[in-house]
Amino acid sequence: EVQLLESGGGLVQPGGSLRLSCAASGFTFFNYAMSWVRQAPGKGLEWVSTMSGSGGGTYYADSVRGRFTISRDDSKNTLYLQLSSLRAEDTAAFYCARVRAAVGVDAFDIWGQGTMVTVSS
Amino acid sequence: QLVLTQSPSASASLGASVKLTCTLSSGHRNYAIAWHHQQPEKGPRYLMTLNSDGSHSKGDGIPDRFSGSSSGAERYLTISSLQSEDEADYYCQTWGPHVVFGGGTKLTVL
Repeated sequence: EVQLLESGGGLVQPGGSLRLSCAASGFTFFNYAMSWVRQAPGKGLEWVSTMSGSGGGTYYADSVRGRFTISRDDSKNTLYLQLSSLRAEDTAAFYCARVRAAVGVDAFDIWGQGTMVTVSS
Repeated sequence: QLVLTQSPSASASLGASVKLTCTLSSGHRNYAIAWHHQQPEKGPRYLMTLNSDGSHSKGDGIPDRFSGSSSGAERYLTISSLQSEDEADYYCQTWGPHVVFGGGTKLTVL
């Protein structure tokens, strides 16, 4: 079964850091680009970042560029998102999603169940 | 600028059909989109990719009740024989060079 499982969310103070993980199973991980999408409470979906397969290019939304870093470990079938300099407005559920392509951006065809990040003092 | 526009809400009766609309911004009418839905308290689920010519490819396990069509800059999702579990938020997504989501349509099944 194709599956994405996020972890690493929690409560963090403003200015703090957190690392999210997304464990993939059921497909050949390195053949796909992978993305992070977030959703603030009661709001819509917001694309955060994408990384191409096999260590290819990375892409970021303007709202997180310079603060968040996407990475992947193909040997562990795992996608990461390092969050730093966190702000209250970063409070959101973070979803991992598979991109329907190896390079660049395309439709997201598999989603995880999400992990919640709360930024508050 | 690449923008997707969706109506905030829609409603239809159990067993009826509903057609949701996603509109691409000017200059982007040839873009493909994807439709996703999100049931309450759950993660999103991919429904289909929809091309400008109306051809579409659905995700695994998506029932035949879900279909897509296109006209100009409009992309449509039609759900027939509405069931209670279809009550959800529906998002369209496009890409190039970055990813853009529409604001979502909240579908209520009466």
